[in-house]
Amino acid sequence: DAKTTQPPSMDCAEGRAANLPCNHSTISGNEYVYWYRQIHSQGPQYIIHGLKNNETNEMASLIITEDRKSSTLILPHATLRDTAVYYCIVPGTYNNDMRFGAGTRLTVKP
Amino acid sequence: DADVTQTPRNRITKTGKRIMLECSQTKGHDRMYWYRQDPGLGLRLIYYSFDVKDINKGEISDGYSVSRQAQAKFSLSLESAIPNQTALYFCATSDLVPGRTDTQYFGPGTRLTVL
Repeated sequence: DAKTTQPPSMDCAEGRAANLPCNHSTISGNEYVYWYRQIHSQGPQYIIHGLKNNETNEMASLIITEDRKSSTLILPHATLRDTAVYYCIVPGTYNNDMRFGAGTRLTVKP
Repeated sequence: DADVTQTPRNRITKTGKRIMLECSQTKGHDRMYWYRQDPGLGLRLIYYSFDVKDINKGEISDGYSVSRQAQAKFSLSLESAIPNQTALYFCATSDLVPGRTDTQYFGPGTRLTVL
C-alpha cells in the first residue's frame, strides 16, 4: 500500500490560490488519490479524488503528474474558512483503510 | 456530515469501566469503519465492516470490540477503559459501487476521556 508525504504546514493569503503538494511515489496503477480536510476537531471532510486525470469539483482541483508519483490540491480562491489540516491519502487496497497521516496544516491569512 | 451520527459526542469515564460508542448512518452504505485520532496525529483504523456479517480488525484493535447490529448501525465498545484510550473517535461509512471508487464519509466524532 502506498505511503504519502506532505509538508507539515503552509500559509496562504486570503483570495489567493492555495497549492498543497503530496508525494506518493509507491502508488500502484489502480490506486486512487484522495484528499480530505479536517477543521479543528470536526470529522474529516471529503474534498476530491482522482486516478490519473486531473479532476475539478466545486471545492477544489486535483492535478496528478503523468507518472502518478505526486499530486497537487488547488483551492483556487482560499478563504479564512479553508484554514484546516489537509490530508492526502492512498487507501489500503484490501480494507480501504484511509491511512491518515499528519497532513498539511494550511493557514489562510487575511 | 449529518447523514452519519455519533453518540455520545463527549464522554468522560473512569479506568476499568465498560463504555459503548454508537454510530448510525442514513446513507444506505454497506461499509462502516471506526477510527481514533490522538492529539496532533492522523486517524488510525480500529475496526471495519463491509456488510452486516463481516467484521475485521484494523491497525489498532486491541482493547476494542465492535458490533454491527444492522446495516445502519455500528457500535464500538471498550470493555475495560484505560487512560491511553483517551482520544477522538470517528465513525465513517462508504459504499463500493462497481466501476467507481469507495469514498468514506465521516461522522462528527466522539471525544472520550478516560480518567
